[in-house]
Amino acid sequence: GNSVTQMEGPVTLSEEAFLTINCTYTATGYPSLFWYVQYPGEGLQLLLKATKADDKGSNKGFEATYRKETTSFHLEKGSVQVSDSAVYFCALSSWEYGNKLVFGAGTILRVKS
Amino acid sequence: GAVVSQHPSRVICKSGTSVKIECRSLDFQATTMFWYRQFPKQSLMLMATSNEGSKATYEQGVEKDKFLINHASLTLSTLTVTSAHPEDSSFYICSASQYGTGEETQYFGPGTRLLVL
Repeated sequence: GNSVTQMEGPVTLSEEAFLTINCTYTATGYPSLFWYVQYPGEGLQLLLKATKADDKGSNKGFEATYRKETTSFHLEKGSVQVSDSAVYFCALSSWEYGNKLVFGAGTILRVKS
Repeated sequence: GAVVSQHPSRVICKSGTSVKIECRSLDFQATTMFWYRQFPKQSLMLMATSNEGSKATYEQGVEKDKFLINHASLTLSTLTVTSAHPEDSSFYICSASQYGTGEETQYFGPGTRLLVL
């Protein structure tokens, strides 16, 4: 079945550091890939998405590229801020599985000033 | 656009009572809504999928008689936790999507924290 693996956290960075959160997936067919962010005590917000190979999703300085050859969708940001501290979830969906979202375990990001 | 609300945001109830949580899509018609449960510091667990006007489809291990889901309109789905017990305490999150229209993204509500005493 479909699955998503994320790097374990927490990831602790200083402000303005470069961020990478690794995400790899296993899926049949051609899934869509997503990054969601969850701030403390809140629900999930869609951060970015990509629906086909080589697509790059981007939003608020975050980027991720759909790499089919490596089955990866790593999240990057060139310069993190304290306000980026949150939990980041990588997820996929595919019509073969009724478009249900399959989530990774989540990665806690802590940015220190 | 694509705003999903939940009500209440937080609820405390006594063991044995029932609690209803509402999920609304505010600016789009949601053909499909999903209900998730999230334990502290863990990922989301899909409980059920509901399509407007039809019965919900529950994931394996989720008691359909305990977690009643109704999706009566294209903008509203409700989750009722019946005869709640302390082990039902959790963070419940809904999401909504417009599957069938070419837009497959799920948009999430802010969540409802349930505490059963």
